[in-house]
Formats: sequence, structure tokens, C-alpha cells
Amino acid sequence: NAGVMQNPRHLVRRRGQEARLRCSPMKGHSHVYWYRQLPEEGLKFMVYLQKENIIDESGMPKERFSAEFPKEGPSILRIQQVVRGDSAAYFCASSHQRRLAGVEQFFGPGTRLTVL
Amino acid sequence: AQSVTQLDSHVSVSEGTPVLLRCNYSSSYSPSLFWYVQHPNKGLQLLLKYTSAATLVKGINGFEAEFKKSETSFHLTKPSAHMSDAAEYFCVVGAGNMLTFGGGTRLMVKP
Repeated sequence: NAGVMQNPRHLVRRRGQEARLRCSPMKGHSHVYWYRQLPEEGLKFMVYLQKENIIDESGMPKERFSAEFPKEGPSILRIQQVVRGDSAAYFCASSHQRRLAGVEQFFGPGTRLTVL
Repeated sequence: AQSVTQLDSHVSVSEGTPVLLRCNYSSSYSPSLFWYVQHPNKGLQLLLKYTSAATLVKGINGFEAEFKKSETSFHLTKPSAHMSDAAEYFCVVGAGNMLTFGGGTRLMVKP
């Protein structure tokens, strides 16, 4: 039973390019969460998605960032026109039901984005 | 609104001695509280969680945490540190749709 999968594990982009980060949740999970971890900091919530729906995007920057979780295939976090400040580790988590008190989120290994 | 404060950014202990990682939280709701561990260049693993049942929660690898509502604390302890415990530890409060992470405590274990 594979855990949460993320790819690529490491991604290098030049300023102005696009970054696409993929996340496949655990089998049977239909709720996906994206977090960003800046160096020496904790994780910050970005967005919460269910299949084909964005439930909460209160942590997403207003520009350049978007997320989707299509009916088929992985969830995608897309960053357009990357800047150096986007360099961070991006973690995906999944859960098997809507996030309520006590429901555990299972985390992937993360994608480390470096913007040159 | 909710927030988490981990009082120590770094903790260093000798192998075989007790571990104490401190965490205070604030939440408008009855919170769920978690401790996650992150080993270098790895994802996060759940150590334990509190969900309004017993206030003393036992987790994996010998860790436990006690929920103290009067002190709004959820400190993580282990009686005897092992070298493999060296990692970053995050105290997390959950309510509604999201988890809110503390800034993390880096645990170093000396031989």
C-alpha cells in the first residue's frame, strides 16, 4: 500500500519559468492538502482540494500559484513565472475524509524547488 | 484562529537521557493536537495525536505527550533518547480544514 507520492523530488528552475509539482494521494484518499516549508521554518498551509474542487485556498498566494485535483490523475501545484523567493520544499498530504478533528493527514516526501 | 509556539528551536541531549520538547497552542475551538517528526530530506511522520480522549497520549518510538488545557500545553517527552531520534519535531494544531504548524524544534542527540 503505497504512501503519498510526490514527483519530482527535486526541481530546479530559472526565474520566469514554470514549475509543476505532482502529488498522488494514498489509495482511497480523496482529500489533498499542499503545504510550503521555507528554510528553517515550519510548514504553512496553502490549499485543500477534493476531487475536482478547491475547498480552501486561503494560504495560496494570489498570483502565479494555482492547484488542481482532477477526476483522474494526480493533484498538480503549478507556479508560473517563478522567482527566487519560491525556493522551498512543497509537501502534499492526503486524508481519507474531510478534515475534521482527529483525522490524520499523511504526508509525502516533498518536492524541493530551487529557483536560480 | 489558532497558533502554535514551540518554545525551543534547538534541543540537545545525551543518548539515554530524557527528552522534553515544549509546545503551547491557542485555538478558538476544541483542538486536535499532533506531533510530527521530520528526518533530514524526508517527509513528515505522525508520532502521536490528541483528539479529546485521554490527556496522556502514547505514540510511536516511545514518545508520549500530555494535553494540559489549563496551561494550553502539549509537551512531547521520551524517557531515554536514542541516536535515531535526532530530527526536526513539529507540534501541530488542527481544526476545521487545516493544520497549523509550529516553527519546529531540532533535536540533537549526543553519543
